[in-house]
Amino acid sequence: ETGVTQTPRHLVMGMTNKKSLKCEQHLGHNAMYWYKQSAKKPLELMFVYNFKEQTENNSVPSRFSPECPNSSHLFLHLHTLQPEDSALYLCASSPDRSSSYEQYFGPGTRLTVT
Amino acid sequence: QKEVEQDPGPLSVPEGAIVSLNCTYSNSAFQYFMWYRQYSRKGPELLMYTYSSGNKEDGRFTAQVDKSSKYISLFIRDSQPSDSATYLCAMWANSKLTFGKGITLSVRP
Repeated sequence: ETGVTQTPRHLVMGMTNKKSLKCEQHLGHNAMYWYKQSAKKPLELMFVYNFKEQTENNSVPSRFSPECPNSSHLFLHLHTLQPEDSALYLCASSPDRSSSYEQYFGPGTRLTVT
Repeated sequence: QKEVEQDPGPLSVPEGAIVSLNCTYSNSAFQYFMWYRQYSRKGPELLMYTYSSGNKEDGRFTAQVDKSSKYISLFIRDSQPSDSATYLCAMWANSKLTFGKGITLSVRP
């Protein structure tokens, strides 16, 4: 595996379900990011981790819960989501937080909340 | 005024055309300027980034930054159908990346 990988690629879940998104980077980076991409909107930064520590939470609802067990892995735990949470969720990594201009993205998880 | 403005398009050109994609911005603190390409059902791919004003060339792609006008451009020479994608501009300041909405480009064979 190379670059940034994400699983699953597609996810359909009901509003009462609990699911998790997984991201893994094979670039030796130390910063990882979660973004939400909705149609006709700019990418929205959700969370930032630098050397496994969360450094940013952009007022994301608590139904989204991130986890970063090490610098290579990032999870996004989902529970009691709303239909408006349907979007493409992208993971990215960069060498570290200070060089976040050089971010590399995974293919994303297309999430549909029914 | 939004921090980063990008014409949403879509843009359709014939194969071989020179394509010009543009973004404007309002934040004078931006230092790095990026262009990402996103194919359908894929994540954004970093094409190139430049620091401050000037030009940067990579094959058929040239990125141009004019900080005095707060304007950046991506030129694609000899466009190919494989260049059909959404192009996102992004700008960086204080460890924060701000994206434009993206413009969808279609190159007709």
